[in-house]
Amino acid sequence: DGGITQSPKYLFRKEGQNVTLSCEQNLNHDAMYWYRQDPGQGLRLIYYSQIVNDFQKGDIAEGYSVSREKKESFPLTVTSAQKNPTAFYLCASSSGHSSYEQYFGPGTRLTVT
Amino acid sequence: DQQVKQNSPSLSVQEGRISILNCDYTNSMFDYFLWYKKYPAEGPTFLISISSIKDKNEDGRFTVFLNKSAKHLSLHIVPSQPGDSAVYFCAAKRWEKLTFGTGTRLTIIP
Repeated sequence: DGGITQSPKYLFRKEGQNVTLSCEQNLNHDAMYWYRQDPGQGLRLIYYSQIVNDFQKGDIAEGYSVSREKKESFPLTVTSAQKNPTAFYLCASSSGHSSYEQYFGPGTRLTVT
Repeated sequence: DQQVKQNSPSLSVQEGRISILNCDYTNSMFDYFLWYKKYPAEGPTFLISISSIKDKNEDGRFTVFLNKSAKHLSLHIVPSQPGDSAVYFCAAKRWEKLTFGTGTRLTIIP
């Protein structure tokens, strides 16, 4: 059963702590993406990776970091430098070739207090 | 600078009628457009897409229209069903990146 998994569904952290969100896909997709969604706003691109061991900043990369050591995995770390970390985080993947559709995971709701 | 805009935050439509969701964009370099449907606390699911070289694409109850000169696209759902109630996002592609609109909440009234 192919798809994208994000864990956990809900995450709570204290201000000043780094936190890592997991994203795994078994679709054999080359490209992976991280977005955040805030109430009343669209999805905004944080980071993306077109291939293993390579990634690029999106539109709102400040305060975030990523790694892409394996094709299947693209974890996102929300650092203490991120001023407004509370949001709904979505991971996506795409084959990156002739298909432009991105397939999304179920999301992680991060709450920082 | 919002390059992709969905100016209607919400839309209510009677069951069985046509739902029309609109999207405007400013960047003429976008070469592919997509519509996604999203339920609360879930990831978006892909609905339908259209290349910039076409003006219409149809898939069952869903049709997307693209007017390049007006930089406008629309999603038509007919007939509308209660399960169509969700937030709909349009997205535009340039190179490998998608830019999303802010979404329109569609409510189908039984």
